[in-house]
Amino acid sequence: GQNIDQPTEMTATEGAIVQINCTYQTSGFNGLFWYQQHAGEAPTFLSYNVLDGLEEKGRFSSFLSRSKGYSYLLLKELQMKDSASYLCAVMDSNYQLIWGAGTKLIIKP
Amino acid sequence: IAGITQAPTSQILAAGRRMTLRCTQDMRHNAMYWYRQDLGLGLRLIHYSNTAGTTGKGEVPDGYSVSRANTDDFPLTLASAVPSQTSVYFCASSEGTNTEAFFGQGTRLTVV
Repeated sequence: GQNIDQPTEMTATEGAIVQINCTYQTSGFNGLFWYQQHAGEAPTFLSYNVLDGLEEKGRFSSFLSRSKGYSYLLLKELQMKDSASYLCAVMDSNYQLIWGAGTKLIIKP
Repeated sequence: IAGITQAPTSQILAAGRRMTLRCTQDMRHNAMYWYRQDLGLGLRLIHYSNTAGTTGKGEVPDGYSVSRANTDDFPLTLASAVPSQTSVYFCASSEGTNTEAFFGQGTRLTVV
């Protein structure tokens, strides 16, 4: 079966750096997405990786290793507004998105 | 403001009743999707449409139906609601099948 694993919850301190990991086993691979979802709101797009390596976008970076079935989202200079759930999703061979359950990130002052 | 709109925002529904959740986008996106989100689970695809006039079944289609008569609208119908369909429903659209998806604000549905 298809599976996306990410930690349920993480805690970090304001101003610090946090890395949220995602491992996947899917039938085929056509890219990996990261979304941010604040409580009670809709998911919003953060990043897309289809080739191995690091994609940087401001304070957020996303890394992909297709051979290891692994990705991480790196958040730098954490702010209180970064408290949210972070969703990892993989597009399979049928171009369907398979979603992880999300990682709830708690930022403490 | 361009985007994707869902209605209603929330609804309490008696079991056995029929209900249609509405979704409209004005971005002229080809692909549209309906997901449900339940606590502790990832978003699960109910139905999708890659282009107007076509629809497909996702991971959890039973008890739901959709139609895509035009590019903008993608309604989701529960023919006879059951308590297990209590969930938050998100409609989303994307320009293509492997591009970022834009989500509506969600419909919180409670079936009692």
